[in-house]
Amino acid sequence: GIQVEQSPPDLILQEGANSTLRCNFSDSVNNLQWFHQNPWGQLINLFYIPSGTKQNGRLSATTVATERYSLLYISSSQTTDSGVYFCAVSGNQFYFGTGTSLTVIP
Amino acid sequence: KAGVTQTPRYLIKTRGQQVTLSCSPISGHRSVSWYQQTPGQGLQFLFEYFSETQRNKGNFPGRFSGRQFSNSRSEMNVSTLELGDSALYLCASSGQGWGYEQYFGPGTRLTVT
Repeated sequence: GIQVEQSPPDLILQEGANSTLRCNFSDSVNNLQWFHQNPWGQLINLFYIPSGTKQNGRLSATTVATERYSLLYISSSQTTDSGVYFCAVSGNQFYFGTGTSLTVIP
Repeated sequence: KAGVTQTPRYLIKTRGQQVTLSCSPISGHRSVSWYQQTPGQGLQFLFEYFSETQRNKGNFPGRFSGRQFSNSRSEMNVSTLELGDSALYLCASSGQGWGYEQYFGPGTRLTVT
């Protein structure tokens, strides 16, 4: 199967700081998504981004499919950004990374 | 458009029992997939159904099974529950399958005692 590695595993930020989360994957994929898992467990869609760059408010993402990585940028972080961020890619199934746990301190 | 719904949201079962979880996809979506999330193993793929046919299956024992109905609603069943089956079970739907955006439901939290 496809290996998905996320870094860093844990991140603690002061409110207002910027951060970059990375996702590396081991094979070519036809789908890459970023999710935020809320405290109740639901996976919230952030980006569907098999290639290119997208922005949504304070969040943006870039996927370089030829180099097999994707980046999620969070600017001006807020306490509500806290939680676990997952990257997932598809081959013959959906493979998840182990996540980045983000804590934003007021 | 209504999102993916899962029932029940919480469930407590005893070891040895069986359980059935239900997932209703977004209207018009034909692909439904199931995942197990545990602290130790993370998010793991169970199986995917498309137009009532299982297309892919993860590496889980035969105690885990599923089906999809003609209206795309899906159920998963776990027989002879073990303590290690305690987990958050998530389902996702998409229009056509893996190459398309996946949308997740709120999950069913199963506790086996």
